Amino acid sequence: DVKVTQSSRYLVKRTGEKVFLECVQDMDHENMFWYRQDPGLGLRLIYFSYDVKMKEKGDIPEGYSVSREKKERFSLILESASTNQTSMYLCASRKRGGRETQYFGPGTRLLVL
Amino acid sequence: AQTVTQSQPEMSVQEAETVTLSCTYDTSESDYYLFWYKQPPSRQMILVIRQEAYKQQNATENRFSVNFQKAAKSFSLKISDSQLGDAAMYFCAFSRGGSEKLVFGKGTKLTVNP
Repeated sequence: DVKVTQSSRYLVKRTGEKVFLECVQDMDHENMFWYRQDPGLGLRLIYFSYDVKMKEKGDIPEGYSVSREKKERFSLILESASTNQTSMYLCASRKRGGRETQYFGPGTRLLVL
Repeated sequence: AQTVTQSQPEMSVQEAETVTLSCTYDTSESDYYLFWYKQPPSRQMILVIRQEAYKQQNATENRFSVNFQKAAKSFSLKISDSQLGDAAMYFCAFSRGGSEKLVFGKGTKLTVNP
């Protein structure tokens, strides 16, 4: 059974804090993604990684960075959390190839106070 | 750049009835794939159905089927015999053949009434 897990389901942080969101997949997928999901805006891609140590900016990378030191793990970092980063964060992974299914984690609901 | 449009933010259907969710996309590519994903409340997003652009036959998965109109760039999802468990956000997504990224629509929230 394929699995994408995220380190927290709910997280509350203070403005200015550094926040780490972790994602792990057990399917040996090359590609991993971080999205944020907001009502009425759908899924917006923050960053994606197509290989270890490789990354590419998505549509809304400002205020975020990522790290992929191992194939199975992809971390999203909020360098200095702000209230407008309150959102649902979804991690996903996908085997290489346009036809492939993308698998999602359960999401982390982040509240920045 | 490719775009995906879901024009219905919300839809509702009676249990056991049929509902169709709309999706249109814009691309100049000839090699691409289309997907419908389902996100139940507080649960993980999962793939419902996939369509390869080179296939003329519409994809079907049990009660879920698509109406793929390539010339019109339309990819609607039909859910037959709707069940309470079908209540979810549904996202239409597009992938170019050589691309690793999906482009998502903004989603349609489906309510199933008993």
